[in-house]
Amino acid sequence: DQQVKQNSPSLSVQEGRISILNCDYTNSMFDYFLWYKKYPAEGPTFLISISSIKDKNEDGRFTVFLNKSAKHLSLHIVPSQPGDSAVYFCAAISGTSYGKLTFGQGTILTVHP
Amino acid sequence: ETGVTQSPTHLIKTRGQQVTLRCSSQSGHNTVSWYQQALGQGPQFIFQYYREEENGRGNFPPRFSGLQFPNYSSELNVNALELDDSALYLCASSLQRTSGINEQFFGPGTRLTVL
Repeated sequence: DQQVKQNSPSLSVQEGRISILNCDYTNSMFDYFLWYKKYPAEGPTFLISISSIKDKNEDGRFTVFLNKSAKHLSLHIVPSQPGDSAVYFCAAISGTSYGKLTFGQGTILTVHP
Repeated sequence: ETGVTQSPTHLIKTRGQQVTLRCSSQSGHNTVSWYQQALGQGPQFIFQYYREEENGRGNFPPRFSGLQFPNYSSELNVNALELDDSALYLCASSLQRTSGINEQFFGPGTRLTVL
């Protein structure tokens, strides 16, 4: 049972344009949602998070939007840079889950110069 | 500040063998979580250790076991290896908080191949 889903395995974007990565979830008990970025041969690194009581969180070029009624969140990267090319994982956590992160399958983002 | 380190980087075992993977937490962190990432998938939670005790477990069989030591470093042990155990094993450390989320910092992982 995949509780967090990223339905797009890959995304290709031109440098300077917007990248939009999407994520859907099924578990209403999730309290926080996080985005991680992963480069080859490195562990995932935390990018940005959002609490379930908010609908938007912004940090520099990165903005996460949460639509609770649709159980959908998205990560916007503006403007996209070649260094953003990586695998992006959406993850969710609930307050009762002792810190267990539930991850999506990941989306490979490629930003072309 | 030292980040999360894992050893070994790569490992090749044969079916039925046992393996031990190691993780050193980031300085100041008291909680360690282990994840398995199969090829093309996201990381899956195996278990978490807090103050040397298992603090939660995912959907993995008992042949996956762990330890946390007084210095908060940790081991993941897998007995009776199966071909499907081939994966990247990630360790993440965090500081347990009473409220809010515990940001988890990941190590680079150990790539295990079972032949």
